[in-house]
Amino acid sequence: EIVLTQSPATLSLSPGETATLSCRASQGVTRYLAWYQQKPGQAPRLLIYDASNRATGIPARFSGSGSGTDFTLTINSLEPEDFAVYYCQQRSNSVTFGQGTKLE
Amino acid sequence: DVQLVQSAAEVKKPGESLTISCEASGYMFSNYWIAWVRQLPGKGPEWMGVIYPGDSDTRYRSSFEGQVTFSADKSINTAYLQWRSLEASDSAMYYCARTRDANGYSFLAFWGQGTALTVSS
Repeated sequence: EIVLTQSPATLSLSPGETATLSCRASQGVTRYLAWYQQKPGQAPRLLIYDASNRATGIPARFSGSGSGTDFTLTINSLEPEDFAVYYCQQRSNSVTFGQGTKLE
Repeated sequence: DVQLVQSAAEVKKPGESLTISCEASGYMFSNYWIAWVRQLPGKGPEWMGVIYPGDSDTRYRSSFEGQVTFSADKSINTAYLQWRSLEASDSAMYYCARTRDANGYSFLAFWGQGTALTVSS
């Protein structure tokens, strides 16, 4: 099973700043990686798929990069509604999720 | 619009059986895989497996194989997750989600609102 390790566990920033979240895979997943946002009491929402493609309706301030084992989610000019938990997910070998980064 | 509406929260006793549902609308139900995802409090999502409503093909994550059963009824656009004998460790939030494309191992583009399960004596 491919293990996804997210860092940091918690990221403390202010509105207007830039967030950089990391996801490292235990083995290469090419570009088969997605990022999700989850707010309290809500289901996860797909933000980025195939490492760098924004899902429908996702603002341009969200961007993804990386390939192989190292991936990054960047959120520019943080808005108040961006403070949430973010998960990465791979689909290269079955499906697994990371343990999450809380953006506070 | 694609929508997945799940059944209400459940409180059950250990050893009881349970089936929860996920009703889909806004797309061709038979043409996309439905995944089931477990989320324990404060933890990341866990992919349990998928079912393809078109032919009821199923794929289970090894840790859930034999513990749960997926099914689907194309006539009413509804997928189901079933337990025969619940355990306290099954207490969690359960989500259904539709794959983004026709691949069973895929990203999850649309999610239900979740069904909270509490198993306690």
